[in-house]
Amino acid sequence: DSGVTQTPKHLITATGQRVTLRCSPRSGDLSVYWYQQSLDQGLQFLIQYYNGEERAKGNILERFSAQQFPDLHSELNLSSLELGDSALYFCASSRAGGRTYEQYFGPGTRLTVT
Amino acid sequence: AQKITQTQPGMFVQEKEAVTLDCTYDTSDPSYGLFWYKQPSSGEMIFLIYQGSYDQQNATEGRYSLNFQKARKSANLVISASQLGDSAMYFCAMRNNNDMRFGAGTRLTVKP
Repeated sequence: DSGVTQTPKHLITATGQRVTLRCSPRSGDLSVYWYQQSLDQGLQFLIQYYNGEERAKGNILERFSAQQFPDLHSELNLSSLELGDSALYFCASSRAGGRTYEQYFGPGTRLTVT
Repeated sequence: AQKITQTQPGMFVQEKEAVTLDCTYDTSDPSYGLFWYKQPSSGEMIFLIYQGSYDQQNATEGRYSLNFQKARKSANLVISASQLGDSAMYFCAMRNNNDMRFGAGTRLTVKP
């Protein structure tokens, strides 16, 4: 158990809908990362927050947004969902925001868009 | 642009033997971190080992060691004394201050 929690574990929704994925980092970790893992695209970095502020942005679509709250938990919002958004979404956390800190991953949320 | 390449889609190793999983990377940033993660069939991502671009010595963590050859831009993972529980997908990743990239992964199967 990495100490990172993600809810829900599974989510099934229809195209065009909006969903929110939630992540709680390990105790003491200030940085949260979101990743998407799909069969065709592999593991892709979406976005990073550090202590409430956006730190780095990867391949995140405009339909997706995220935020980190004062208690350091984070939410990833996915809107106007398409079939291709079906994937495993991971949240990870690290002690700080820089390149030297290993990231600990949550168990993931499996999103299925029908 | 940053790039991580894992050229071995699948590898087999006999139990108790050592295996090397290849990873090459490309970046123009002098400061970066290299990571290896394991993903068992259950789906979780497990951190294994980290190497910083300025580290002089190769990183080791138990049975895992990272063969870091900076001039060749390679960061191969060596697993010694393979166990059946090592069967999983293994991902190499590179991080600079603004980005994190993962390779396509290598599926390792340990044979009894």
